[in-house]
Amino acid sequence: DTGVSQNPRHKITKRGQNVTFRCDPISEHNRLYWYRQTLGQGPEFLTYFQNEAQLEKSRLLSDRFSAERPKGSFSTLEIQRTEQGDSAMYLCASSTRYEQYFGPGTRLTVT
Amino acid sequence: QQQVKQSPQSLIVQKGGISIINCAYENTAFDYFPWYQQFPGKGPALLIAIRPDVSEKKEGRFTISFNKSAKQFSLHIMDSQPGDSATYFCAASVGGGGYQKVTFGTGTKLQVIP
Repeated sequence: DTGVSQNPRHKITKRGQNVTFRCDPISEHNRLYWYRQTLGQGPEFLTYFQNEAQLEKSRLLSDRFSAERPKGSFSTLEIQRTEQGDSAMYLCASSTRYEQYFGPGTRLTVT
Repeated sequence: QQQVKQSPQSLIVQKGGISIINCAYENTAFDYFPWYQQFPGKGPALLIAIRPDVSEKKEGRFTISFNKSAKQFSLHIMDSQPGDSATYFCAASVGGGGYQKVTFGTGTKLQVIP
């Protein structure tokens, strides 16, 4: 399978804990995006990487969120001190230019 | 600020019928309009996309109609099938900084009944 992959697919954590998600983009794609999707809503942009450089962050990305893309390959999204409001589907997408291809997402539940 | 408005929120169509989903946008800088299909528990999948210099694009049973002056675009699914039952998102994006920043609509849940 040469699509975008994300791990884990599901994560249940207690409030206050830290969590980290991983995204492996399509190999030839130099652009990588993170989105958050809550129930009944469309995905909302969080951040964008071109190669290893993080070029834009949404206001939705509070100080508790950090994303990295070392060596311009896979990316990680970490949430520190999780809150119940962080419960959502976290989606990763990659592209070469216009068409963004999404992974299956990581469903986060904060209890 | 919701920049892409989508309707209806839900839609029930009989098998073989035409499903129509409408979207409107505000930002005239948008230069790419994709539609995504999402099944429960899955990520959105790119279905079809259009640029604003084209009024219509057809791929198989899926057609996008685009009205630049009205700032509206729509997805038509011809001969709708039960397998088309999913949530559909319209989106619009603007290039800048070398990438497309995508704004999604709120989604339309389509149910195709046999």
